[in-house]
Amino acid sequence: DIQLTQSPSTLSASVGDRVTITCRASQSINNWLAWYQQKPGRAPKLLIYKASNVQSGVPSRFSGSGSGTEFTLTISGLQPDDFATYFCQRYNSYSYTFGQGTRLEVK
Amino acid sequence: EVQLVESGGGLIQPGGSLRLACAVSGFSVSSKYLSWVRQAPGRGLEWVSVMYSGGGTYYADSVKGRFTISRDSFNNILSLQMSSLRAEDTAVYYCAREDSVIRAFDIWGQGTMVTVSS
Repeated sequence: DIQLTQSPSTLSASVGDRVTITCRASQSINNWLAWYQQKPGRAPKLLIYKASNVQSGVPSRFSGSGSGTEFTLTISGLQPDDFATYFCQRYNSYSYTFGQGTRLEVK
Repeated sequence: EVQLVESGGGLIQPGGSLRLACAVSGFSVSSKYLSWVRQAPGRGLEWVSVMYSGGGTYYADSVKGRFTISRDSFNNILSLQMSSLRAEDTAVYYCAREDSVIRAFDIWGQGTMVTVSS
């Protein structure tokens, strides 16, 4: 099975910062790679799909990129509402895998 | 309004059974791909099972043979029958809709908590 490993596990940043979260696959994967934001006690929210496409209604400061085994989520100009946990997720052959998550906290 | 509302969670003893329901509104339960995704306390997300619009069903290895996903098209409900429950099944269970074009979960329910403990 292909594993997804996110780094870092925890990221400390300040409002206005540009941050990048990485999701690495144990083997080259197709681009069915999505990113979600989750706040405590809430369901995840879809941010990015197919590696680089921003979901409708998601602010343009969120962007995704990558291919093969390395994918990134970038938030340009952190806002107070962005401090949350972020997960990557892939679909492949009737199975779905999530990364372990990256907690973005206030520095 | 498109909405998913889970119910049926609770405290259950190891080895017991529980049935979760996801009430779907705003679309037909038979027209979309619907999954169950769980999250153990303080942990990450784990996909559990999917039912495709064509009726195909698939399961994570961790629940295969113990959990069964099904749908009631008349009442527009997705269900998850869980049996032989273990402590490691303790989690919040989310119902999630997958967009079949983008292959990502675009709509989520609020979740229902299942606690397996004696």
